[in-house]
Amino acid sequence: GIQVEQSPPDLILQEGANSTLRCNFSDSVNNLQWFHQNPWGQLINLFYIPSGTKQNGRLSATTVATERYSLLYISSSQTTDSGVYFCAVERMTDSWGKFQFGAGTQVVVTP
Amino acid sequence: DTEVTQTPKHLVMGMTNKKSLKCEQHMGHRAMYWYKQKAKKPPELMFVYSYEKLSINESVPSRFSPECPNSSLLNLHLHALQPEDSALYLCASSQEAGRTQYFGPGTRLLVL
Repeated sequence: GIQVEQSPPDLILQEGANSTLRCNFSDSVNNLQWFHQNPWGQLINLFYIPSGTKQNGRLSATTVATERYSLLYISSSQTTDSGVYFCAVERMTDSWGKFQFGAGTQVVVTP
Repeated sequence: DTEVTQTPKHLVMGMTNKKSLKCEQHMGHRAMYWYKQKAKKPPELMFVYSYEKLSINESVPSRFSPECPNSSLLNLHLHALQPEDSALYLCASSQEAGRTQYFGPGTRLLVL
């Protein structure tokens, strides 16, 4: 199957800091999503971004499909940004809906 | 309304029990998914239904049996589970398979 690597595995930020999370994947993809999982387990879809750049408030994401990576930017971080950030990819040769998740980046934002 | 609901929130069952997990969405989505998530691990895909037909089964043991009675409902029937099946079970839906996924809050299952 496709390999999905996220870095860094852990990140500790002070409130107000900016950060960049990375997702590398080993094969061509149809689709890519970024999720935030809060401490209670709820997964929230942040971006559906198979290519290009999107922004939503303090968050933005860029996917360069030809180079097989995606970046998630968090600006002016807040304590509510704490949790695990996952990227999930759907390989081009796989069935629609077969998303493979990376191992995640655990983010802790301190006051 | 972008809500996916799951019941129950918590479930404790013995290895000989039969139970069912339920997932519901009213967004008109035509794809629904079951994932299993162990602690400190990413979600792992189990099943995908597209237009009420099973389109992906990720070689899941037969003690897990999915069912999609209609386009809004997805069930996961559990029978003769093992303690290693204890996990958070997540349901998701999307407009079509492979599109933006919306997740429910999950069912925390403990098998004794």
